[in-house]
Amino acid sequence: EDQVTQSPEALRLQEGESSSLNCSYTVSGLRGLFWYRQDPGKGPEFLFTLYSAGEEKEKERLKATLTKKESFLHITAPKPEDSATYLCAVQASGSARQLTFGSGTQLTVLP
Amino acid sequence: EAGVAQSPRYKIIEKRQSVAFWCNPISGHATLYWYQQILGQGPKLLIQFQNNGVVDDSQLPKDRFSAERLKGVDSTLKIQPAKLEDSAVYLCASSSTGALTEAFFGQGTRLTVV
Repeated sequence: EDQVTQSPEALRLQEGESSSLNCSYTVSGLRGLFWYRQDPGKGPEFLFTLYSAGEEKEKERLKATLTKKESFLHITAPKPEDSATYLCAVQASGSARQLTFGSGTQLTVLP
Repeated sequence: EAGVAQSPRYKIIEKRQSVAFWCNPISGHATLYWYQQILGQGPKLLIQFQNNGVVDDSQLPKDRFSAERLKGVDSTLKIQPAKLEDSAVYLCASSSTGALTEAFFGQGTRLTVV
């Protein structure tokens, strides 16, 4: 059974204080690992897809990296508007393409 | 490009009543998902369609939940009868069947069962 564990559950940062969110996963053959951002009252918003160990993707202040067992979402010099819940999901190899999500990290960036 | 549309946005019902949610996916997306997201948790897959066929419904409580996707486009998720523990946000998502497999989500329907 595919499993995704995210840590920490919640993170409070001062504006400009860089940090990283962790996503550990167990999957029978990884097709892709996805990061989403979810604001209160909204559906998850797609951020990145990573397909193989060593791959990195960047978008503004966010950088996602992938190893064979975990992924990190690095946030550099965050701003209050980066406050949201960040969700990680894995997709196993095969034709089904289901996404298995972690419980998310709730990030609060204080001005 | 229009996103995934869902309605209604909010619904409050009494336990044992029935409720239905509607989803219109991104045009051309063959794969459609329904997820249940309980407060403080990540989304949990209920059912996945490819065109109008069911790919996975292993986590769908079939004694009370049903879903259909007519003509491989719009989809409806129904709960009958509802229980208190069904209170959650119901998210619809869609994806293409090409190399890019990321799923795009609608805003969700927040269901409160009282």
